[in-house]
Amino acid sequence: ILNVEQSPQSLHVQEGDSTNFTCSFPSSNFYALHWYRWETAKSPEALFVMTLNGDEKKKGRISATLNTKEGYSYLYIKGSQPEDSATYLCALFTGNQFYFGTGTSLTVIP
Amino acid sequence: NAGVTQTPKFRILKIGQSMTLQCAQDMNHNYMYWYRQDPGMGLKLIYYSVGAGITDKGEVPNGYNVSRSTTEDFPLRLELAAPSQTSVYFCASSYGEGTNTEAFFGQGTRLTVV
Repeated sequence: ILNVEQSPQSLHVQEGDSTNFTCSFPSSNFYALHWYRWETAKSPEALFVMTLNGDEKKKGRISATLNTKEGYSYLYIKGSQPEDSATYLCALFTGNQFYFGTGTSLTVIP
Repeated sequence: NAGVTQTPKFRILKIGQSMTLQCAQDMNHNYMYWYRQDPGMGLKLIYYSVGAGITDKGEVPNGYNVSRSTTEDFPLRLELAAPSQTSVYFCASSYGEGTNTEAFFGQGTRLTVV
């Protein structure tokens, strides 16, 4: 079992603020690192799939970086909007299983 | 495309009853998964399958059974429901190879055992 840790557990920011979360993992023995966005009463949806050390992905105001040597990935949100309010999950894919962190709950205050 | 379809969305069971949670995907994905989500906890893997006829236990398999007779379907069976199985259950599927490894989730089944 891979222990995937996410921090902080929850976060409240003002509309317009930029923010970032961390996903930490103990080893580089995985195939890909995923970020998912999970809105209340819905199901998780993939944001990014990252496979290489130094990989950086961007989708609009959201971006992510991966550092497999030091065991972390960052998710950045620039200029947070109320619609960004959700739980953000990090997961390691080992080739047949996903190991999910417990998520960071983001609330953007208008 | 329907994606991943789970039924039912809600269910209340009495202790000792049995039920099957249905999961179907129409994306020709090889990999399918069942997770449970408890309050304040992350997604815990119950069972997974890497193809028709192949299933494996995840982190929390006790009290559950699965089968994968076709690529499309991956039902989860609860034989003797217990209050500890009160949870939200998610089915997911993934192509699982190359760059196509993202998981697609069903809408979830909220199960209460009383």
